[in-house]
Amino acid sequence: EDKVVQSPLSLVVHEGDTVTLNCSYEVTNFRSLLWYKQEKKAPTFLFMLTSSGIEKKSGRLSSILDKKELFSILNITATQTGDSAVYLCAVVSNFGNEKLTFGTGTRLTIIP
Amino acid sequence: DTAVSQTPKYLVTQMGNDKSIKCEQNLGHDTMYWYKQDSKKFLKIMFSYNNKELIINETVPNRFSPKSPDKAHLNLHINSLELGDSAVYFCASSRTSSNIQYFGAGTRLSVL
Repeated sequence: EDKVVQSPLSLVVHEGDTVTLNCSYEVTNFRSLLWYKQEKKAPTFLFMLTSSGIEKKSGRLSSILDKKELFSILNITATQTGDSAVYLCAVVSNFGNEKLTFGTGTRLTIIP
Repeated sequence: DTAVSQTPKYLVTQMGNDKSIKCEQNLGHDTMYWYKQDSKKFLKIMFSYNNKELIINETVPNRFSPKSPDKAHLNLHINSLELGDSAVYFCASSRTSSNIQYFGAGTRLSVL
């Protein structure tokens, strides 16, 4: 069975700090890894990673995938209170459908 | 102009009742999903439909029955509700050629 593990489970930092969130996975026939941000309601898409070593960047957020070591990291620099959320990592395995297997998430809290 | 919309947002009901949750997407996607998020925030796939055809059916009690009248709609009907069904149910959609799924705001179901 596909497995996704995120760490830490929760993280509290001060505004302006830089954080690194971790996601490791064990899947059969890996296809892609996705990061989502969940505030109060719907998970919203951040990044999709399919190739090792290629950094995806959007503003203060960036992510990279290591397919050899089976993990990804999500970095957030100069954190703001609006970054407070649960960050979800999910993987897609190639079974001819797009089933997402999610990790349990990292709850990030930014203190002003 | 909500992309993936679910109704109702909140549902409070007694054990043993039958209830339905509706989902509609206006993104032109051909694949739709239902996920269950438990109290620990763990998101788990339940069903997936592609062009009105069931393609993913995880280990879910057969009290849960999805119905897709067309590509833009995927409804979830639950019979004989139990306390353990209390959770947030998320609908999502994607294009067949893409792993990126877009989520609705969720339906919080409370079974008393």
